[in-house]
Amino acid sequence: DQQVKQNSPSLSVQEGRISILNCDYTNSMFDYFLWYKKYPAEGPTFLISISSIKDKNEDGRFTVFLNKSAKHLSLHIVPSQPGDSAVYFCAAIALNFGNEKLTFGTGTRLTIIP
Amino acid sequence: ETGVTQSPTHLIKTRGQQVTLRCSSQSGHNTVSWYQQALGQGPQFIFQYYREEENGRGNFPPRFSGLQFPNYSSELNVNALELDDSALYLCASTPKGGNPSNEQFFGPGTRLTVL
Repeated sequence: DQQVKQNSPSLSVQEGRISILNCDYTNSMFDYFLWYKKYPAEGPTFLISISSIKDKNEDGRFTVFLNKSAKHLSLHIVPSQPGDSAVYFCAAIALNFGNEKLTFGTGTRLTIIP
Repeated sequence: ETGVTQSPTHLIKTRGQQVTLRCSSQSGHNTVSWYQQALGQGPQFIFQYYREEENGRGNFPPRFSGLQFPNYSSELNVNALELDDSALYLCASTPKGGNPSNEQFFGPGTRLTVL
């Protein structure tokens, strides 16, 4: 049962353009949604998060949008830079589990073309 | 401030063997979680330890077990290794009571190959 889904395994975007990564979820009990970035041979690093009671959170070039009725969130990166090339994971937390368990999607490999 | 470290970086074992992976949590973090990331998949939650006790477990069999020590470092033990156990094993640390939306820090992982 895949509760968090990333349906695009890969995405290529021209440098300077907008990158949009998408994520869908099925569990309406999630309290937070997070995006992690992963380079090869490194662990995931936290990028940005959004509370389930918000619909937008912005941090510099990164903006996450949440559409609760559609159970969908997206990460926008503007402008895209070569260093943004990495695998991006969408993840979610439900606090009533009593632990900070992250439920991850399968990831999207973003390639920024110079 | 020291980040999350894991050892070893790579490991090769054969089916049926046992393996122990180690994690040192970030300074001041008393909660450790372990994840398994198979090739082409996202990390899957194995279990979490808080104050040396298991605090939640994912859908993994009992041959996956763990320990947390008084200094908050942790071990993941896997018995009777199977080919499907080949994966990247990630450790994440967080301060209990911290902000769950941004305070999980991951180590670089241990790449386990089972032949």
